[in-house]
Amino acid sequence: SYDLTQPPSVSVSPGQTASITCSGDKLGDKFVYWYQQRPGQSPVLVMSQDNRRPSGIPERFSGANSGNTATLTISGTQAMDEADYYCQAWGSNTHVIFGGGTKLSVL
Amino acid sequence: QVQLQESGPGLVKPSETLSLNCTVSGGSVSSGSYYWTWIRQPPGKGLEWIGYVDYIGFTKYNPSLKSRTTISIDTSKNQFSLKLTSVTAADTAVYYCVRERKAAVLDYWGQGTLVTVSS
Repeated sequence: SYDLTQPPSVSVSPGQTASITCSGDKLGDKFVYWYQQRPGQSPVLVMSQDNRRPSGIPERFSGANSGNTATLTISGTQAMDEADYYCQAWGSNTHVIFGGGTKLSVL
Repeated sequence: QVQLQESGPGLVKPSETLSLNCTVSGGSVSSGSYYWTWIRQPPGKGLEWIGYVDYIGFTKYNPSLKSRTTISIDTSKNQFSLKLTSVTAADTAVYYCVRERKAAVLDYWGQGTLVTVSS
């Protein structure tokens, strides 16, 4: 089966840049999506097809995907960005694959 | 604006069948452009894809749950449904119904419903 690996947690100071990684075999050959989930809420798409921001998502969110690693970058991180972040890719047997999630703390 | 709303019992006994419905508004489950999907999230854990149904009833399931899962669609009610048999405490989770724009994006999510498996 195909696995996506994320760090369990990332910490960042307000105003600084946060980078959340997602690793998988030849992940750069797939499209990667990123979802933000605040406590008690449903996931919200914040990045589509590696680096496309959906409407309404702030410009401080950006994405990249190459080799075995995709990265979601949040520039000028704000307190409101504190949440869990999940990467997602399309699989074959398991149609939708999620990473284990990364808890972003803005300290 | 598309909205999805899960409904069903919040408590299911071990070995019984979990049954949930998802009512879609602002869009039609009869559209051939989408897969209608179930995803779950155990408390404090990550997201797990369960499976999908399309507008003609074609289904695909997570291999790890396939033997216990049935997802169906009712175009007359603009709903789709999940049945998970022989549940255990490990099936306790928030269950989300989600619209997938075919292999493009999971673009609309329901608010989720917590199902607890306990006697």
